[in-house]
Amino acid sequence: SQKIEQNSEALNIQEGKTATLTCNYTNYSPAYLQWYRQDPGRGPVFLLLIRENEKEKRKERLKVTFDTTLKQSLFHITASQPADSATYLCALDMEYGNKLVFGAGTILRVKS
Amino acid sequence: EAQVTQNPRYLITVTGKKLTVTCSQNMNHEYMSWYRQDPGLGLRQIYYSMNVEVTDKGDVPEGYKVSRKEKRNFPLILESPSPNQTSLYFCASSPPTSLNIQYFGAGTRLSVL
Repeated sequence: SQKIEQNSEALNIQEGKTATLTCNYTNYSPAYLQWYRQDPGRGPVFLLLIRENEKEKRKERLKVTFDTTLKQSLFHITASQPADSATYLCALDMEYGNKLVFGAGTILRVKS
Repeated sequence: EAQVTQNPRYLITVTGKKLTVTCSQNMNHEYMSWYRQDPGLGLRQIYYSMNVEVTDKGDVPEGYKVSRKEKRNFPLILESPSPNQTSLYFCASSPPTSLNIQYFGAGTRLSVL
């Protein structure tokens, strides 16, 4: 079955730096990959979606890459701010349009 | 305001006492889903529904039931809760053309004693 690996250790960075989070998956490549943000005590919020034929997607300070050869997605936050501190989840489709599989998430802490 | 509403937000119960967690969305989404979130395991799908009267098992359906009698509502039923169902539960919905982008509720924290 599909497995997703995200860094279990928290990522601590200084304000203004670029945060890079990793999502690795095994087995078959998904048709698309999604990233969500989750704050304590709240439900995940969708951030970005990237399709298998896209190498890179950007939205404001966020950038996602998708390397189907490496079976990896990288999520970048440039000019990070303390308000970016949260848990970030990646999710892959299992059956097109029916199911998502989520990673356990990586905690990001941005210090001022 | 477009949202997914879950109730209750917090629930403490005892083993074997049937309970229902309600979920309602006001976005006219066809797809709805229930997840549980446990430390280190991420979000795992319990059940999902593609439309009214259409439901299917997710990855961890044992001990849970769902129904979809109306498009907006998708309740999660625990007929006989056990301590291993202590978890944080999320309901989510998704429009049909969105490549399964999920809109989540605020979550229900359940403790089964």
